[in-house]
Amino acid sequence: EVQVLESGGGLVQPGGSLRLSCAASGYTFDRFDMSWVRQAPGKGLEWVSGIRASGFETFYADSVKGRFTITRDNSKNTLDLQMNSLRGEDTAVYYCVRGLRAPDYWGQGTLVTVSS
Amino acid sequence: DVVMTQSPLSLPVTLGQPASISCRSSQSLVYSGEGTYLNWFLQRPGQSPRRLIYMVSNRDSGVPDRFSGSGSGTDFTLTISRVEAEDVGIYFCMQGTHWPLTFGGGTKVEIK
Repeated sequence: EVQVLESGGGLVQPGGSLRLSCAASGYTFDRFDMSWVRQAPGKGLEWVSGIRASGFETFYADSVKGRFTITRDNSKNTLDLQMNSLRGEDTAVYYCVRGLRAPDYWGQGTLVTVSS
Repeated sequence: DVVMTQSPLSLPVTLGQPASISCRSSQSLVYSGEGTYLNWFLQRPGQSPRRLIYMVSNRDSGVPDRFSGSGSGTDFTLTISRVEAEDVGIYFCMQGTHWPLTFGGGTKVEIK
């Protein structure tokens, strides 16, 4: 069974940093691209970042470019999102998702709250 | 960025009746040599989104055949042939052709 499980969310002050992680299982991790998608409270979905299966190509939404960094470790089946210079508008549930152009499996999400 | 416009925003439906959701993109979603990356997701209350349809019309495994997707270019439709109680939730379309990837604003389906 395919599973993706996020961790690392929490409360952080504006300007602070947080690192999200995603552990994947149930499939061959290094054969699939991966994405992070977020959902602000009561709002719709926003694609944040993506990474190719090889890890050599990454993509970002303009809203996070230069502040967030996506990486993966194919030897550990993990996906990370390093978030720096956090702002109030980054407050959201962050989902780890398998795939890029046609993402299929979603995790349960981890809540990031940016507030003083 | 490609803007994805869904309508209606809210869709009250009667059990057993059909329902349709429209999704329009500001640019063609045809991706040369690979097809059209238009996907549909359902987010039930309190749950993560679940993909229903990928590349316009391909139903995911386990998705009931009352769900179907159609369309081309910039104009797409998700149709539920006979709505059941478990279909309640918010439906999102998403384009995977152009960077950055973008979602529609969502259509809330509820039972009358």
